[in-house]
Amino acid sequence: AQSVTQPDARVTVSEGASLQLRCKYSYFGTPYLFWYVQYPRQGLQLLLKYYPGDPVVQGVNGFEAEFSKSNSSFHLRKASVHWSDWAVYFCAVSMDTGGLSGKLTFGEGTQVTVIS
Amino acid sequence: EAAVTQSPRSKVAVTGGKVTLSCHQTNNHDYMYWYRQDTGHGLRLIHYSYVADSTEKGDIPDGYKASRPSQENFSLILELASLSQTAVYFCASSGGGANTEVFFGKGTRLTVV
Repeated sequence: AQSVTQPDARVTVSEGASLQLRCKYSYFGTPYLFWYVQYPRQGLQLLLKYYPGDPVVQGVNGFEAEFSKSNSSFHLRKASVHWSDWAVYFCAVSMDTGGLSGKLTFGEGTQVTVIS
Repeated sequence: EAAVTQSPRSKVAVTGGKVTLSCHQTNNHDYMYWYRQDTGHGLRLIHYSYVADSTEKGDIPDGYKASRPSQENFSLILELASLSQTAVYFCASSGGGANTEVFFGKGTRLTVV
């Protein structure tokens, strides 16, 4: 069965500094990978998604992620963090069955705190 | 804009009571999902549906039933609520296919006492 691991439960970053959030996946087959963000008391919003192709994908609000098959990783990056990036970030994987794109397996999330 | 609406947004239920959480989507999506989120954890799939009048079990279906009376509506039913079912529940919809976005509702915070 597939699984997703986010090794960092909490990350604190200064406003304007760079951010990297780690994600490791375990999946037999072609993974479809996602990063979601959850703001307080809100649902999840899609930041970016990876489908087989270019390993670096661009998302909203300056986020990007890089897929590595050899490392089974899909790390999220942002060059300069803004206070509004204070949120919980989830990495997720979906089956490549051609359907059921919402049948996702999530990591446990990383709480990002932004300090001035 | 794609929309998934959940009701109620929060609920307090008594142990052993029946709870129904409702979800309505206006996205014209075939697929709908119910997830559960526990504090400090990611979401886990409870039930899903790809057509009206049919539901499927997800990864953690025990203690839950689901109902899809129409394409737009998808309910999650707790026949006998238990303390361990205290969590935030999210509904989602998608158009199907690996290349379609999933839209989430804002969640229902359920507290069982």
